[in-house]
Amino acid sequence: AQTVTQSQPEMSVQEAETVTLSCTYDTSESDYYLFWYKQPPSRQMILVIRQEAYKQQNATENRFSVNFQKAAKSFSLKISDSQLGDAAMYFCAYRSAYTGANSKLTFGKGITLSVRP
Amino acid sequence: GAGVSQTPSNKVTEKGKYVELRCDPISGHTALYWYRQSLGQGPEFLIYFQGTGAADDSGLPNDRFFAVRPEGSVSTLKIQRTERGDSAVYLCASSWTANTGELFFGEGSRLTVL
Repeated sequence: AQTVTQSQPEMSVQEAETVTLSCTYDTSESDYYLFWYKQPPSRQMILVIRQEAYKQQNATENRFSVNFQKAAKSFSLKISDSQLGDAAMYFCAYRSAYTGANSKLTFGKGITLSVRP
Repeated sequence: GAGVSQTPSNKVTEKGKYVELRCDPISGHTALYWYRQSLGQGPEFLIYFQGTGAADDSGLPNDRFFAVRPEGSVSTLKIQRTERGDSAVYLCASSWTANTGELFFGEGSRLTVL
């Protein structure tokens, strides 16, 4: 079974600064997806960024980028130029890419990010 | 709307009562998922539908929990004889098919069992 570990329960960043959120995972599969989701107080999970395991290039979405280290099974999220609206809970998640496999998302416990003005 | 819709947004019930939570996925999405999220924790998988059938219900905690999706669109999560430990946010998500990328989530239904 796959597991996702987020060992930092909380982090804080100064507005306009950069912060990195850590995530490690465990799997025996070679093809999968990794995601970072943001959950504000409204409860709705919002996709921040996704990475396909077969792609060596790290995904980037505007101020958000990842450092994907497949051999180390590490998937960290970097937020540049942090904004007050970035304050939320962030979840790292894993999903198998194999057809017929259980396609559920497996989540980490999450990290609460606060942004100081 | 174009997103995943969940009703009710909040539900307060008494221990022992029966509860139904509804999920209306994005039109055309064949895969539908239910998750349960306790306070301060990550979502935990409950059940996954591909079309009308439950492809994986391994996450349902016990036989008090049941879910249906009779026409392959709207799904209902049913909880019998509710217990205080059932209190949580129940999230629904959908995707075009299985194994094709991200899931799109609703805002969840917060269940409080007194």
